Amino acid sequence: DGGITQSPKYLFRKEGQNVTLSCEQNLNHDAMYWYRQDPGQGLRLIYYSQIVNDFQKGDIAEGYSVSREKKESFPLTVTSAQKNPTAFYLCASRYNPGGSGYTFGSGTRLTVV
Amino acid sequence: GQQLNQSPQSMFIQEGEDVSMNCTSSSIFNTWLWYKQDPGEGPVLLIALYKAGELTSNGRLTAQFGITRKDSFLNISASIPSDVGIYFCAGLISNFGNEKLTFGTGTRLTIIP
Repeated sequence: DGGITQSPKYLFRKEGQNVTLSCEQNLNHDAMYWYRQDPGQGLRLIYYSQIVNDFQKGDIAEGYSVSREKKESFPLTVTSAQKNPTAFYLCASRYNPGGSGYTFGSGTRLTVV
Repeated sequence: GQQLNQSPQSMFIQEGEDVSMNCTSSSIFNTWLWYKQDPGEGPVLLIALYKAGELTSNGRLTAQFGITRKDSFLNISASIPSDVGIYFCAGLISNFGNEKLTFGTGTRLTIIP
């Protein structure tokens, strides 16, 4: 079955460490997105990529980095520069251009200990 | 970054009751989307609206795209226990080939036994 897979489901990081969250999709979608969700808030866009080897900053990109070397994969690195990284991270993908078929992964909960 | 104003923030209802929630924005959107999120999971698309004034149903769910393109509402009729979760509206805007999805702050629906 086609879908979008995020791993791991739960991740613990020590302060000062970088950590990478995985997002893989086999839907042949062109665009991929990373969102952050905090309790009681909506989803905020971190980074997005509409094609391979290209990506743009979203609304809250500081302290994060991404790469898009393959169509299927869009990993997110939470760097030590992100001052408040504890959150629920969601990856999404969709076809280009246009359309509303955003498919979400099941998320990764990152906790800084 | 912009977030949509979604209300109410939370609802406590009895099984069988109807539910209504809405989203407003200061900006115009091309598309309105409504998602449902279960705890610890990613959002799942419920309804997509593409034209101002459009009224669309999906089973017990009905949603409308406001005439001004700045608002949308979602109704759930005859609520059942599996309706529990967080409902998000999202507005999609296209700008010179770039698309951006902005989320509301969510409505948490709880069913009182």
